Amino acid sequence: GENVEQHPSTLSVQEGDSAVIKCTYSDSASNYFPWYKQELGKGPQLIIDIRSNVGEKKDQRIAVTLNKTAKHFSLHITETQPEDSAVYFCAASRTYNTDKLIFGTGTRLQVFP
Amino acid sequence: EAQVTQNPRYLITVTGKKLTVTCSQNMNHEYMSWYRQDPGLGLRQIYYSMNVEVTDKGDVPEGYKVSRKEKRNFPLILESPSPNQTSLYFCASRTRYQETQYFGPGTRLLVL
Repeated sequence: GENVEQHPSTLSVQEGDSAVIKCTYSDSASNYFPWYKQELGKGPQLIIDIRSNVGEKKDQRIAVTLNKTAKHFSLHITETQPEDSAVYFCAASRTYNTDKLIFGTGTRLQVFP
Repeated sequence: EAQVTQNPRYLITVTGKKLTVTCSQNMNHEYMSWYRQDPGLGLRQIYYSMNVEVTDKGDVPEGYKVSRKEKRNFPLILESPSPNQTSLYFCASRTRYQETQYFGPGTRLLVL
């Protein structure tokens, strides 16, 4: 079946450094790629998303890039801050006539002051 | 306040004792889903619903049932829980006009 691989599983960075999380998807019909942030004890919350007709999207310190040919997308966080510490999930889905969303296994990001 | 609520937040039960986890949203969303979160496996979709009386299986539906009789509610039913259903469960909803899913706070279930 369809799956999404996510790496690394844990990532530790110094405050102010950049962090990159990478995902690969298997379903070539996927056209929507969200990233969710999960803080301790809470449900996941959308931080940024990208659709297959766009190669890159940026929102302040976070950006996402998509390579459809390689079926690969990445989350980039610049100037990391301690409050960026959380678990990050990538996901992929087809948006037409379905609500099936496949998540990656998550990356625990720790930002040290 | 726009939100997805789940009850209970924590539940300890025994094998075979039927239970229901409720999910309710006040955003008039058409789509609702249930996920389970397990260490090393991420979030896996159990069931989803695209509207009232319309439900479909996700990736791990075995041992679960759902119903969607009203737009705002999407209960998850475990008819005969087993220890391998010990997990953290999340309900989510979204409007059919946008892909952004809004998650509830989670229900931690322990089946002994």
